[in-house]
Amino acid sequence: ILNVEQSPQSLHVQEGDSTNFTCSFPSSNFYALHWYRWETAKSPEALFVMTLNGDEKKEGRISATLNTKEGYSYLYIKGSQPEDSATYLCAFQQRAGANNLFFGTGTRLTVIP
Amino acid sequence: EAGVAQSPRYKIIEKRQSVAFWCNPISGHATLYWYQQILGQGPKLLIQFQNNGVVDDSQLPKDRFSAERLKGVDSTLKIQPAKLEDSAVYLCASSLVATWGLGTTDTQYFGPGTRLTVL
Repeated sequence: ILNVEQSPQSLHVQEGDSTNFTCSFPSSNFYALHWYRWETAKSPEALFVMTLNGDEKKEGRISATLNTKEGYSYLYIKGSQPEDSATYLCAFQQRAGANNLFFGTGTRLTVIP
Repeated sequence: EAGVAQSPRYKIIEKRQSVAFWCNPISGHATLYWYQQILGQGPKLLIQFQNNGVVDDSQLPKDRFSAERLKGVDSTLKIQPAKLEDSAVYLCASSLVATWGLGTTDTQYFGPGTRLTVL
């Protein structure tokens, strides 16, 4: 079992604030890092898949960076909105040829109106 | 495009009872996954099917858990008999890829999950 850690465990921010959280993963045998958003009572939704060191992905107000040499990824949300309230999960993919994902425990974000 | 369907959404049973969950993946997706998410932990893969064959079931507690994917489409996951520690959300996911090679980062699409409470 691979160790994928996320911090903080939970976070409360005011509407309009920007925020970020961290995913740490093994730096060896890296293949890909996935970010998911999971709203309560809904299905986890894929946000980004990142494969290259230095990769940056952006979709609207959400962006992510990747450092495979030191084994971390940051997820940023600019100008948080109440609809951003969700649990954000990262998942480590170890190698090509298999699609097994190792998930972190998630960061639970609450945006206060 | 319809998403991954799961039923039931919620289930409450007593320990030592049996329970079954059903998953219908996205049409055309070759690979199907069952994950278990215990409160406070990340989802953990229980079993992975490619079409109707098992790719990985190393984390499946085979003394009480079983899963099948008949005809390479729908899948059922069964627990018999259930224990208190089986209380969790059971997520089903599917992905398109049937064969993998270098450069494959196949996105997994998840259903809404079944929340199981064992009393």
